[in-house]
Amino acid sequence: ILNVEQSPQSLHVQEGDSTNFTCSFPSSNFYALHWYRWETAKSPEALFVMTLNGDEKKKGRISATLNTKEGYSYLYIKGSQPEDSATYLCAPSGNTPLVFGKGTRLSVIA
Amino acid sequence: DVKVTQSSRYLVKRTGEKVFLECVQDMDHENMFWYRQDPGLGLRLIYFSYDVKMKEKGDIPEGYSVSREKKERFSLILESASTNQTSMYLCASTPRVKNIQYFGAGTRLSVL
Repeated sequence: ILNVEQSPQSLHVQEGDSTNFTCSFPSSNFYALHWYRWETAKSPEALFVMTLNGDEKKKGRISATLNTKEGYSYLYIKGSQPEDSATYLCAPSGNTPLVFGKGTRLSVIA
Repeated sequence: DVKVTQSSRYLVKRTGEKVFLECVQDMDHENMFWYRQDPGLGLRLIYFSYDVKMKEKGDIPEGYSVSREKKERFSLILESASTNQTSMYLCASTPRVKNIQYFGAGTRLSVL
């Protein structure tokens, strides 16, 4: 089983703060790295899929970077809002289906 | 929009019962997946299917089986439910294994 580490496990920030979290994964047999957002009582939804080393993707206030050589990805949220409160999951894929990390649970306090 | 529908949001069953969790997707996706989510453990893959009548074990298949008789439907079966199968179960589908996955709303199963 692929070892995927996400840190921190949970995070509490004030509204307006910027924040970031990390996903670490084995760099061998890498194909793509997915980020999903999972809000309470909803389905997980895809944020980004990145495949190339150095990739950067942006969606509104959320962005992500990818380093496939060292096996990590960062997710950044600029100016956090209460609606950003969710669990953020990363999932690398290689020769097997996606393997999900345990997630980072973000709470944004108004 | 892709829709993945799970038949029940909440289910309560007794130990030893046979339990069926149904998942239907409406986008003609080849690949379908069943996961369970437990606090502190993240999403873990139980079974997946690349095509009709095909199935592959995931990371935690013990105590489960699956059925894919039609492309749009993927069923998870608990042959004899046990209390350690109390969990949130999520179904997902994707057109190709490495594409983004579309998830259902989840079924919270309690086995008493």
